Amino acid sequence: AQKITQTQPGMFVQEKEAVTLDCTYDTSDPSYGLFWYKQPSSGEMIFLIYQGSYDQQNATEGRYSLNFQKARKSANLVISASQLGDSAMYFCAMREKQGANNLFFGTGTRLTVIP
Amino acid sequence: DAGVIQSPRHEVTEMGQEVTLRCKPISGHDYLFWYRQTMMRGLELLIYFNNNVPIDDSGMPEDRFSAKMPNASFSTLKIQPSEPRDSAVYFCASSSKQGPSYEQYFGPGTRLTVT
Repeated sequence: AQKITQTQPGMFVQEKEAVTLDCTYDTSDPSYGLFWYKQPSSGEMIFLIYQGSYDQQNATEGRYSLNFQKARKSANLVISASQLGDSAMYFCAMREKQGANNLFFGTGTRLTVIP
Repeated sequence: DAGVIQSPRHEVTEMGQEVTLRCKPISGHDYLFWYRQTMMRGLELLIYFNNNVPIDDSGMPEDRFSAKMPNASFSTLKIQPSEPRDSAVYFCASSSKQGPSYEQYFGPGTRLTVT
């Protein structure tokens, strides 16, 4: 079974609007971490935001927030006030188990911001 | 602080040749990861090191692939002999177990083309 599922291959959003990128995960481990990375056309992977499985509040980093719904095993990324520079691939990833450090990545969502 | 450094950025080689990819992690980071990204398989973890010791190499596709980390500031991924199906972008990433997230920071990647 896929550990991380991103069902939206591509998304479009109007500049200055908010957009939600979906991510669901599968794990039986009670301790895990969820990450979002951005990959612009230049190719580098940029860390955006992290949510721990025991965190009580949704993570926020500037215009990025993570809508964490533990019972539904979802960790959607919300980007507010979209900018043209937000156009990129976005990857959701999960780390299982305290002490282990490898990430499992989803297939990504390509976001295009329309002026 | 300098980020993760990878070299070369691009490599074009002929089938059968040896290829060596290099990585310098962020100073002070004690984890180093090698990933491969292809359109077909997405981002895959190949191997990771902790304190220069290989911890999990289950993602290394076959014996043609080998990785070393002789010291805390340098790692290599070698493919010998290379095959066209090895064509991909290879990322190196590093992280530190400080704070709850110990997110991975990625290098710019090496785009490998095997003809």
